[in-house]
Amino acid sequence: SQQGEEDPQALSIQEGENATMNCSYKTSINNLQWYRQNSGRGLVHLILIRSNEREKHSGRLRVTLDTSKKSSSLLITASRAADTASYFCATAISGTGNQFYFGTGTSLTVIP
Amino acid sequence: DTGVSQDPRHKITKRGQNVTFRCDPISEHNRLYWYRQTLGQGPEFLTYFQNEAQLEKSRLLSDRFSAERPKGSFSTLEIQRTEQGDSAMYLCASSLAVGRGSYGYTFGSGTRLTVV
Repeated sequence: SQQGEEDPQALSIQEGENATMNCSYKTSINNLQWYRQNSGRGLVHLILIRSNEREKHSGRLRVTLDTSKKSSSLLITASRAADTASYFCATAISGTGNQFYFGTGTSLTVIP
Repeated sequence: DTGVSQDPRHKITKRGQNVTFRCDPISEHNRLYWYRQTLGQGPEFLTYFQNEAQLEKSRLLSDRFSAERPKGSFSTLEIQRTEQGDSAMYLCASSLAVGRGSYGYTFGSGTRLTVV
C-alpha cells in the first residue's frame, strides 16, 4: 500500500519558475527520499533527508522535512524543460525492514 | 559497472505462461529490491535481499511469484501462470547498507511485462 501522498498530482509551470511539490506520510520514518522518473523509465534518486534533519540542498533542489506534521516538500528552482518528469517521495519506516514506501507521485510539466 | 541492469526491457506473454526477469545490481551493493509499478502509481514493494538472504516479502507477492539471489549477486524474479493483472513495470533496485545506515536506491530501467 502507498505510504506517502504527493500533492499536487500534476503541476504545470513555465520554464524559469520554481516548482514545489509536497509529500505527506502516515507513520514515523527513518528517512525520506525524493526520486524522479521520466516516462517509461526507472527512478533516479535525487536526495535523502534523515529524520533528524530539517532541510537539505542539492544544486537547484531544496528539500524540507517536518516530522511533527509528517510532511516534506521538494522545491526545484529555476525550472527547465528537462525537469519535466514524475517526482515521488519514498519513506523508510521506523522499525520495519529496509524497503521504501512510495507515494503516487507528482507529474511536473515545465513549458519552454 | 554502469549501474543496475535489468533484462529483458520488455516482455509480452500469453496468460498462463511463466516468465523470468533478471536483475544485475551494482556490484558493491549488498541489498537488492524488487518493486512493481502500474500506470499512474508509485512503485510497490515486492521483496528484498541482503546478500543472498531474502529478508522480507510483501503480501503482494503471491505464491505464483518467486525471487532468488543465489550467490548474493544477480537476482531473478519468476512469475508462474501469469495473469493479466500481472501486467506492470517490474523494477529492481540496489543499495549499500552500512551498519544501521541506508542509502538511496539505484534503480534499473525496469522490465515492462504485458500479459495478453
